[in-house]
Amino acid sequence: DVKVTQSSRYLVKRTGEKVFLECVQDMDHENMFWYRQDPGLGLRLIYFSYDVKMKEKGDIPEGYSVSREKKERFSLILESASTNQTSMYLCASSLLSGGVSTDTQYFGPGTRLTVL
Amino acid sequence: DQQVKQNSPSLSVQEGRISILNCDYTNSMFDYFLWYKKYPAEGPTFLISISSIKDKNEDGRFTVFLNKSAKHLSLHIVPSQPGDSAVYFCAASEDATDSWGKLQFGAGTQVVVTP
Repeated sequence: DVKVTQSSRYLVKRTGEKVFLECVQDMDHENMFWYRQDPGLGLRLIYFSYDVKMKEKGDIPEGYSVSREKKERFSLILESASTNQTSMYLCASSLLSGGVSTDTQYFGPGTRLTVL
Repeated sequence: DQQVKQNSPSLSVQEGRISILNCDYTNSMFDYFLWYKKYPAEGPTFLISISSIKDKNEDGRFTVFLNKSAKHLSLHIVPSQPGDSAVYFCAASEDATDSWGKLQFGAGTQVVVTP
């Protein structure tokens, strides 16, 4: 079974703080993704990575950065947290098979971030 | 602008009856469609998918129908059970070498199955 874990289930931070959200997957997946989930908006892609040290912007990258130093770990960084970044953050991974990305993504349990 | 739309934010259905969830998309490049189920405080879990070369895919109580000309898909759950109460997300991906399996998600439909 694929397991994707996220470092915290709940996090409360203050405006202006630097926030790190960590994600680890144990299935040797090449692709990793960060989403945020907001009511009425579904899941929106922030950043993704298809290899170590590689990163690509998703649909809403503003205010975020990412780091992928090891294949199994993908970190989301909020350089200066703001109240509009209060959200549920979900990490996911998927397999690259034969040079083709598979579409099924496996998700972690999520981190509920509140910025005060 | 959302490329995948789930226009019903909620659905209430009696246990044993059919649940029908709808999803529309605007991007004609989408060629693979997935449904995910999400319980509170958990991440989404994959439920069922369909390729654009098919118009129906069935897995137990779950069937997904795809109408490419209408850019519409639906998920049928028969019979509905209390454990099906969850948020259901429709998702789609493009067949492009640089897509990296990225998914576009709808806003979700909250299903409540009542006894």
